[in-house]
Amino acid sequence: AQSVAQPEDQVNVAEGNPLTVKCTYSVSGNPYLFWYVQYPNRGLQFLLKYITGDNLVKGSYGFEAEFNKSQTSFHLKKPSALVSDSALYFCAVRDPRNTGGFKTIFGAGTRLFVKA
Amino acid sequence: NAGVTQTPKFQVLKTGQSMTLQCAQDMNHNSMYWYRQDPGMGLRLIYYSASEGTTDKGEVPNGYNVSRLNKREFSLRLESAAPSQTSVYFCASLGGGAGGTDTQYFGPGTRLTVL
Repeated sequence: AQSVAQPEDQVNVAEGNPLTVKCTYSVSGNPYLFWYVQYPNRGLQFLLKYITGDNLVKGSYGFEAEFNKSQTSFHLKKPSALVSDSALYFCAVRDPRNTGGFKTIFGAGTRLFVKA
Repeated sequence: NAGVTQTPKFQVLKTGQSMTLQCAQDMNHNSMYWYRQDPGMGLRLIYYSASEGTTDKGEVPNGYNVSRLNKREFSLRLESAAPSQTSVYFCASLGGGAGGTDTQYFGPGTRLTVL
């Protein structure tokens, strides 16, 4: 069975500093991995995804994530945090072998708080 | 394109009442999903539909039923609401990219309170 863990409920960082939001996954084979962001009272918005190829993927708003197969991790990073990055971030995993609807499992979410 | 739409935005029910949450997408997507979001639990998959006419259980299907009315619409029904079903419900759809590589598109959510 596929699963996702986001070990930190909240990450606090000062504006201008680099940020990392952690994600580890469990799925057999080669997973598809995603990051989404949720602002208050809104639905989830797509940030970036890893399907195959280069382990470092770049996404929206200056975010990037590094796929590490040996550590089964897909941490979200940004070199310089903005106050406007404060939001709830979700990691998600999809087993591409499950072709019946491509079920996607989400982590519990990590709240990012960027202080001015 | 409106994307994924959900109705209603808010709903308050009494224990034992029934209701249907509606979801529609105008992106011609095959797969659709219902999630619930609870504090500290993230998004949990309730049911999903790979294509018109098919539905499958997700992680937390008990107490819910779904209908994939056509390719556009995927409804979630609570037959006898319980306080444990108080949550925010999100509908999502998935594009038909090769091998499920597309992202999911989410609706704005329905905030349901069961008293």
